[in-house]
Amino acid sequence: SQQGEEDPQALSIQEGENATMNCSYKTSINNLQWYRQNSGRGLVHLILIRSNEREKHSGRLRVTLDTSKKSSSLLITASRAADTASYFCASTSGGYQKVTFGTGTKLQVIP
Amino acid sequence: EAGVTQSPTHLIKTRGQQATLRCSPISGHTSVYWYQQALGLGLQFLLWYDEGEERNRGNFPPRFSGRQFPNYSSELNVNALELEDSALYLCASSVGQVTGELFFGEGSRLTVL
Repeated sequence: SQQGEEDPQALSIQEGENATMNCSYKTSINNLQWYRQNSGRGLVHLILIRSNEREKHSGRLRVTLDTSKKSSSLLITASRAADTASYFCASTSGGYQKVTFGTGTKLQVIP
Repeated sequence: EAGVTQSPTHLIKTRGQQATLRCSPISGHTSVYWYQQALGLGLQFLLWYDEGEERNRGNFPPRFSGRQFPNYSSELNVNALELEDSALYLCASSVGQVTGELFFGEGSRLTVL
């Protein structure tokens, strides 16, 4: 079963607006990553945040991590039509580091 | 630098047959991960190989198996195919145990009729 759950499952916004996606996980983690998947394609890494970090930025992306709540959020600012994709969080945990993906948020940015 | 490559891109089989999917990791990467993604759903962890050994396995029946070769490429075998095995199978590689980014291939789409 998936450790992570994301919400919303789907999000539709206008170009230029901000998009926020949330991810929850169940066990303690070493790090948490966010990936993007264009329809039916492979996943592309966006950003990684370590368990001792609270916030990280990369271009128009901002990720926060709250280990007390076992949750993370991904904010995409000033969205573009090209941001239309599914976004997945992935948590890494355990001695043999198992990478577990969330259920994903499908983002549609309307031009 | 070549990325993770997977073959075949598409594969059509009938129930009861066997399917073999292949993955070549990025040069220098020793770990290979396999995931199953049914249509419109998230990624389910299948198998993790590192340095030729199976390190971890997801909650899948034994008819899902694989191996990693000395050159770190990997093969996923699915025996006695069932209709619900239809999915996109994604391979990813990393340098040893995952402390950072996973690099994904474009996937192999398996259709079971």
